[in-house]
Amino acid sequence: DTEVTQTPKHLVMGMTNKKSLKCEQHMGHRAMYWYKQKAKKPPELMFVYSYEKLSINESVPSRFSPECPNSSLLNLHLHALQPEDSALYLCASSQAGGSSYEQYFGPGTRLTVT
Amino acid sequence: GDSVTQMEGPVTLSEEAFLTINCTYTATGYPSLFWYVQYPGEGLQLLLKATKADDKGSNKGFEATYRKETTSFHLEKGSVQVSDSAVYFCALSDVSGGYQKVTFGTGTKLQVIP
Repeated sequence: DTEVTQTPKHLVMGMTNKKSLKCEQHMGHRAMYWYKQKAKKPPELMFVYSYEKLSINESVPSRFSPECPNSSLLNLHLHALQPEDSALYLCASSQAGGSSYEQYFGPGTRLTVT
Repeated sequence: GDSVTQMEGPVTLSEEAFLTINCTYTATGYPSLFWYVQYPGEGLQLLLKATKADDKGSNKGFEATYRKETTSFHLEKGSVQVSDSAVYFCALSDVSGGYQKVTFGTGTKLQVIP
């Protein structure tokens, strides 16, 4: 199984809502990532978890709160978002600890903030 | 810091034409190099990779060679098909602070017409 799943596929939320994005993989990968992708742009790294510990936070606003409950699951909690946060949110996973490991991406959650 | 530069798109080709998408990189360490492809409405998929100088990655008729002397990793395919229409991202992966970090190029949109 080389699949990364993400739910929901689409999400529309108001600026006062709280919602969560979910990501799951069963490849035994110990590194998991959240990326944000705007239209016609490359993915921008938001967070990296390595062995369930937050390793990299790329200066992401606190209205985005990641969580890694176990080695297979990654969540992104959203609160008080702004319209400019509307984007495709991609989750990825890889083996940990080396530069040669490819990342496996999920299909993404298309988020619209109204 | 690390960076990746790839040719601007969109690139429009007729079916069975030869494809080249140029990619050059700047890195302080010894990165691994990747090409990822993104089809409309989907996440990124690994197309091919190379982990050291002079390595050639290949997959589905696509090829790219890791050229350290020219810091390049150009993508080529001898005969494109309509189904190859997608956005192609060149990327490098390096280890920073013990963690893998991927730097993406801006992406090149390929459109193949019958």
